[in-house]
Amino acid sequence: EAGVAQSPRYKIIEKRQSVAFWCNPISGHATLYWYQQILGQGPKLLIQFQNNGVVDDSQLPKDRFSAERLKGVDSTLKIQPAKLEDSAVYLCASSLRFGISNTEAFFGQGTRLTVV
Amino acid sequence: KQEVTQIPAALSVPEGENLVLNCSFTDSAIYNLQWFRQDPGKGLTSLLLIQSSQREQTSGRLNASLDKSSGRSTLYIAASQPGDSATYLCAVRGNYGQNFVFGPGTRLSVLP
Repeated sequence: EAGVAQSPRYKIIEKRQSVAFWCNPISGHATLYWYQQILGQGPKLLIQFQNNGVVDDSQLPKDRFSAERLKGVDSTLKIQPAKLEDSAVYLCASSLRFGISNTEAFFGQGTRLTVV
Repeated sequence: KQEVTQIPAALSVPEGENLVLNCSFTDSAIYNLQWFRQDPGKGLTSLLLIQSSQREQTSGRLNASLDKSSGRSTLYIAASQPGDSATYLCAVRGNYGQNFVFGPGTRLSVLP
């Protein structure tokens, strides 16, 4: 079974530039998450999708971050414009839809973003 | 609002020791709890998933327990090896389809 795929693995941009990350979840997983992990901290949820609908985006800085999940499969996360404090690892995860007993979450390798 | 803490923040042990990592959460209305391992510069690898109705799960040298009423989980690692060196994170999921809330992690070093 293929895992969660993310690209790119690394990205360095200047502040005020824009950047986009891509995620392909495990086949059949209806729920998709984007997390931000700042160095030395646990991951923090940015947005949660169920199929192509947003379940939770309460911690997404909507003035600069946006995400979409077209057709309920792949997802992209965009930052525009980037700030220095956006430097972090962006993790994508997927799981079966909530309500099924085993909703184990599987994570991708992450994208390490450095804003200079 | 769910808050998750992990103690200790860092741990260094000699190879072969048995060790316990602790995870505490403030809201006992959880759906499940998951333990992850994270190697430097890498994503998260799932270790064990415990449903709210379960008391423990085992996988090889790992055993995770859950005491929902007291808001605690422990990850027991038997006969530790240098390859176990990593950061260990616990995450809890609420009863209403909420996302996983993570603790800050415990950084483990197993010395040869």
